[in-house]
Parts: sequence; C-alpha cells; structure tokens
Amino acid sequence: DAGVTQSPTHLIKTRGQHVTLRCSPISGHKSVSWYQQVLGQGPQFIFQYYEKEERGRGNFPDRFSARQFPNYSSELNVNALLLGDSALYLCASSADRSSYNSPLHFGNGTRLTVT
Amino acid sequence: AQSVTQLGSHVSVSEGALVLLRCNYSSSVPPYLFWYVQYPNQGLQLLLKYTSAATLVKGINGFEAEFKKSETSFHLTKPSAHMSDAAEYFCAVSLQGGSNYKLTFGKGTLLTVNP
Repeated sequence: DAGVTQSPTHLIKTRGQHVTLRCSPISGHKSVSWYQQVLGQGPQFIFQYYEKEERGRGNFPDRFSARQFPNYSSELNVNALLLGDSALYLCASSADRSSYNSPLHFGNGTRLTVT
Repeated sequence: AQSVTQLGSHVSVSEGALVLLRCNYSSSVPPYLFWYVQYPNQGLQLLLKYTSAATLVKGINGFEAEFKKSETSFHLTKPSAHMSDAAEYFCAVSLQGGSNYKLTFGKGTLLTVNP
C-alpha cells in the first residue's frame, strides 16, 4: 500500500506569492494533519481535518488555510508568503480522529523556500 | 497546554554503546507520549508510543522508553547502537481524551553513531 504522498517535493516562491501544497493520505485514513518544520526545530501543528471538517488549528496566522476533499486528500494554502514561511511542510494521516489507538503516518514533506 | 523538552540537541555514541535520549514533558492532563525518528530528507516514523497501559514501552528497531510520572519523563533507550540508528529523534506529547490529533513536538535530538 502507498504511504502518505505529498506534492510537490520542492518549491521555490517569492515573497508575497501564494502557494498550494497537496497531500494524499493512506487509503482508508479519514484524518489529515499538517505540520510546519523549520530547519533545526521540531514540527509544529498547523491544522487537522477529519471527515472534511476542521478539528484543530495551531497558532498560525490566517494566511494559512486548508481543506479536505471528499476523497480525504487535502490542500494547504499559504497566502502572502514571508521569508519565515520557508520550511518543510509535513502531511500526516491517521485512521482515527484522536491519538489513542491510531498511529500518525507522515509523508516525506514539501520543502518550501521563499526568496 | 502541553510541552516537551528534549535535553541535548546532539548526542554522540560509539557503535555498540548504550543510547539514551532524554525527554521531559509538561501536561495539564494525563498525556500520550511518542517517539519519532526522522532520517535526512524524509518524514517522521513512529518508534513507539505510551497510551497509559504499560509504563515500559517497546518499539521498533530495539528501542524502548519508560514513562515515569513522578519525573515527568519519557526517555528513549537502546542497549546497543547501530550505525543505521544515526538520525534525528523527536519526542512528542498529546492529551488523553483530546478531540483532535494534535502532537506537540520537542526540538529534536540528533544522534550520531561513531564506528
């Protein structure tokens, strides 16, 4: 079975531009979460979607938005890019909404560079 | 609110030596605790998790961790390091009974294994 897939793998954008990152969860997984990992730091929670509804939001500005589609794939959108948005963006999927019994499976991430 | 502190951003051991990576947590309610490993240019892979059953948790690749409530710790150990263990390790916490799957990660510990 395929794991969590993310596209693109690398992306270079200019300040002020908009970016869309995509994620396909493991087949059968209904929950998708997004994390931002700045170089040298641990991942930080951005959003979780479960059954197409937002279930959690981290401490990120409104420039960050996401959605989940009927097939459970997801997009993360970032508007008005800043240099500080340069990071590895990780998508993770799980079968359940919460962390008790369902491991979180991560994709390999999208490396975003803002110049 | 919950947080994780990983003591030591870089740990270096010889092949065959004991690996000890330290993690202390802070949580207002009983936590779930996790250890993830990240190899270069890859996403995170779950090593093990504590979900309030046994306090000594065994994971993949010979790793284990012990939950000590009195010390608010969840240190990761492996009796004998292998070259393939060289990677970055992240401790993470989530809240029991939470309505979503938000993980709060530490800053990570880079493990170097010397021949």
